[in-house]
Amino acid sequence: DAGVTQSPTHLIKTRGQQVTLRCSPKSGHDTVSWYQQALGQGPQFIFQYYEEEERQRGNFPDRFSGHQFPNYSSELNVNALLLGDSALYLCASSRPTGSNTEAFFGQGTRLTVV
Amino acid sequence: GEDVEQSLFLSVREGDSSVINCTYTDSSSTYLYWYKQEPGAGLQLLTYIFSNMDMKQDQRLTVLLNKKDKHLSLRIADTQTGDSAIYFCAETQSYNTDKLIFGTGTRLQVFP
Repeated sequence: DAGVTQSPTHLIKTRGQQVTLRCSPKSGHDTVSWYQQALGQGPQFIFQYYEEEERQRGNFPDRFSGHQFPNYSSELNVNALLLGDSALYLCASSRPTGSNTEAFFGQGTRLTVV
Repeated sequence: GEDVEQSLFLSVREGDSSVINCTYTDSSSTYLYWYKQEPGAGLQLLTYIFSNMDMKQDQRLTVLLNKKDKHLSLRIADTQTGDSAIYFCAETQSYNTDKLIFGTGTRLQVFP
């Protein structure tokens, strides 16, 4: 079992551009959550997807959007990138009834906006 | 409100015990978690405790929860150099168990 896989591992984008990050959940998991971890900070919840719909959203602007596919994989899209969007983006997968006691995190995508 | 606080740094000698502390403000917290993050890596769940428990032990790890003071601690016995990492405490709330609320992390440095 490959666990939670994220791609790419590193990415450099220019301010104003758009970016798409990808996540494949652990086998048997169908719920995907995304977190943003700025340098020196703890992760902040962006949103969660279940059954291809956004189930819950944190305090992030509409520039942050996502999608979940029928195979449970997920994408995080960020439009009109700002310097402040530079961070490690973490994906976590879980079963809907397992709560976070069974959530697994990927290695993250390090996004640098220049 | 949602606020989880941790001290920033802890330095211990190899073989000693480490105690990492965390305070939270939301009394509706259900589960409280400890995660470990090594350089360049994601988050690894170490252990968790349900809010109606006072203590949980798992090999070298002991979690203590003081619900009255909203204080959580993680004790690592016989700390090894491989324990050097950033440790995050996190909570979920009774009305929202989907969302993890993390502290800012404590960087543990173990020296020989």
